[in-house]
Amino acid sequence: EPEVTQTPSHQVTQMGQEVILRCVPISNHLYFYWYRQILGQKVEFLVSFYNNEISEKSEIFDDQFSVERPDGSNFTLKIRSTKLEDSAMYFCANGQGNNSPLHFGNGTRLTVT
Amino acid sequence: QKEVEQNSGPLSVPEGAIASLNCTYSDRVSQSFFWYRQYSGKSPELIMSIYSNGDKEDGRFTAQLNKASQYVSLLIRDSQPSDSATYLCAASPYGQNFVFGPGTRLSVLP
Repeated sequence: EPEVTQTPSHQVTQMGQEVILRCVPISNHLYFYWYRQILGQKVEFLVSFYNNEISEKSEIFDDQFSVERPDGSNFTLKIRSTKLEDSAMYFCANGQGNNSPLHFGNGTRLTVT
Repeated sequence: QKEVEQNSGPLSVPEGAIASLNCTYSDRVSQSFFWYRQYSGKSPELIMSIYSNGDKEDGRFTAQLNKASQYVSLLIRDSQPSDSATYLCAASPYGQNFVFGPGTRLSVLP
């Protein structure tokens, strides 16, 4: 079964630094999502992306966050100036729309020190 | 505000028993419902999707949906220690993002 691939698996960064999390989605799945999960808490929606633009975003997804498809295949999440509370697992997810399920990548564990 | 609620558990069942996991949602426009399994430190893995009222069976798993009561459940028959994980319920209105519940931690005792 095709997989969603995320890199890196673990990223450690200092507060205030920029990080870019990368995702290679399933090729024929056109809906892209970023979710995060703070340790011990629920999976939270950040942003959805379709047709090369953001379709929906949550309150968490403030001006410090941005998403891109820089080369038409990879899908990235950038955090411009990380804060301690950004420490979490970040999951990329991919779907075909029309109520189809989401398929998650293995996640990137972000640790901000 | 869309909300999905689950008992956090832990729910402990003996090996071979039926585990029953429940979920309620607050948003009447949600049309699609999903159960995911999440092992500690891993990503959510899809188990079942259900879209219409009634039961849907897949192997040892049965999902049940009651839209009038805004209730979704997952039954796991013949529970195995490998089923020990956190089970996430998710709801999605048509064309919108998925909202996840906090998850129920299941422990299957050998």
